[in-house]
Amino acid sequence: GESVGLHLPTLSVQEGDNSIINCAYSNSASDYFIWYKQESGKGPQFIIDIRSNMDKRQGQRVTVLLNKTVKHLSLQIAATQPGDSAVYFCAEIPNTGKLIFGQGTTLQVKP
Amino acid sequence: DTAVSQTPKYLVTQMGNDKSIKCEQNLGHDTMYWYKQDSKKFLKIMFSYNNKELIINETVPNRFSPKSPDKAHLNLHINSLELGDSAVYFCASSQTPGGRAGFFGPGTRLTVL
Repeated sequence: GESVGLHLPTLSVQEGDNSIINCAYSNSASDYFIWYKQESGKGPQFIIDIRSNMDKRQGQRVTVLLNKTVKHLSLQIAATQPGDSAVYFCAEIPNTGKLIFGQGTTLQVKP
Repeated sequence: DTAVSQTPKYLVTQMGNDKSIKCEQNLGHDTMYWYKQDSKKFLKIMFSYNNKELIINETVPNRFSPKSPDKAHLNLHINSLELGDSAVYFCASSQTPGGRAGFFGPGTRLTVL
């Protein structure tokens, strides 16, 4: 079936540390993956994406890693800041064109 | 200027009522979406329109009827509201179908009593 999941519902990190949020997906036909950040009371916000022909992509303080062998996606946030506190969703787009979201991981940043 | 806007932000109503949520995007995108987020934060696509044409219609009860008067607007009308319809509804847009849907509205929290 179609599903995208996250390993941990909540991740708590110290300010300044690096964060790693993981995601497992099940549809091997998906060729496009996205990470979203959702702050409280707001809509999801695009962070970074990666195509299936890549295994790593870097943005500003964020890196997405894709391991197609084990169908695993991760989001790394460097030097985590209080403003990074939010729910993070991975999502995939299979050949149906429909965005499929995972269940979300809550990132809590401790000062 | 807000890229994707929705009204109202909060909607509280009784079971059996009919209500509408409006969405507008000023990004010039061709594709718009409605998503439902449940109490566990799970997001699921409901509908997608491309240039006013319906292209994705998930297994949503036919009490939900989207309407796109033009490609900048996608409204959601819900008939005979049920308790299980309580959720946050997000409108989103992308440049093309199957696009990243990178622009979401602020959401409408619907509470059915």
